[in-house]
Amino acid sequence: QVQLVESGGGLVKPGGSLRLSCTASGFTFSDHPMSWMRQAPGKGLEWLSHISSSGSTISYADSVKGRFTISRDNAESSLYLQMNSLRAEDTAVYYCARREGDSWGQGILVTVSS
Amino acid sequence: EIVLTQSPGTLSLSPGERATLSCRASQSVNSNYLAWYQQKPGQAPRLLIYGAYRRATGIPDRFSGSGSGTDFTLTISRLEPEDFAMFYCQQYGPSPPYTFGQGTKLEIK
Repeated sequence: QVQLVESGGGLVKPGGSLRLSCTASGFTFSDHPMSWMRQAPGKGLEWLSHISSSGSTISYADSVKGRFTISRDNAESSLYLQMNSLRAEDTAVYYCARREGDSWGQGILVTVSS
Repeated sequence: EIVLTQSPGTLSLSPGERATLSCRASQSVNSNYLAWYQQKPGQAPRLLIYGAYRRATGIPDRFSGSGSGTDFTLTISRLEPEDFAMFYCQQYGPSPPYTFGQGTKLEIK
C-alpha cells in the first residue's frame, strides 16, 4: 500500500539547519508531484512547498522562501526539505504528502530552541 | 494568495445530527482543486473530499461536498461518534501557493 515515512527531525538551535527526508513506497513516486506541510503545536495546517513530478517546478510559501529548499530523488523514491536559518516559529510537526492529498506521512517533529 | 476562511470555528452537535461546515475563499477557486480533510489528535490529516464534491476512497457517503466559486460546504448527514474532529478545507491548484483554511472543530454537544 501507499506509504510515506518522514525522518530527520529533532531539536535544533535557532539559526541552525536540518534536512528532512520522506521515503515513499507502494506507488510510482516519479509520477506524482509532492508537497511539504507543517502544523505548529495547537495550530492549523500550513502548506510550505511543492515540487513537480520531474522536479522542474518548485514553489514555496512566503514564510519559508529563501530559507527552505525542496528537492527529490526519483531514483530513490525520496523527497527532501533542507531547512536553514531556523527560527523558534518553525517548531512544528512536518508532513510530506502527495499533491493530491490522498496520502500523507505520519509527521516528524522539528523543535527549534536554545 | 487565496485566503480560505472557515466557519464556524467550533460546531457543537450530537451524534445523529447533521453538520454543515463552510469554507469561503477570498477569490474564486477552481472547483477541481478544493479539498476537505479530517484530522484527529496525534494523526495526520485524512482526505475526505477532493474536486469540491468527489469522495476519497473509503469515505462513507454521509460525507458530501458542494459549492463553487468562493463558497464551499462540507456536509455530514448524520454524525457518528467517530466523526468528531478538526476539519480543514484546502485549495491546491491549478498552481501554488496552496492554502488551508484555519479549521473548524466539530465537538460533541
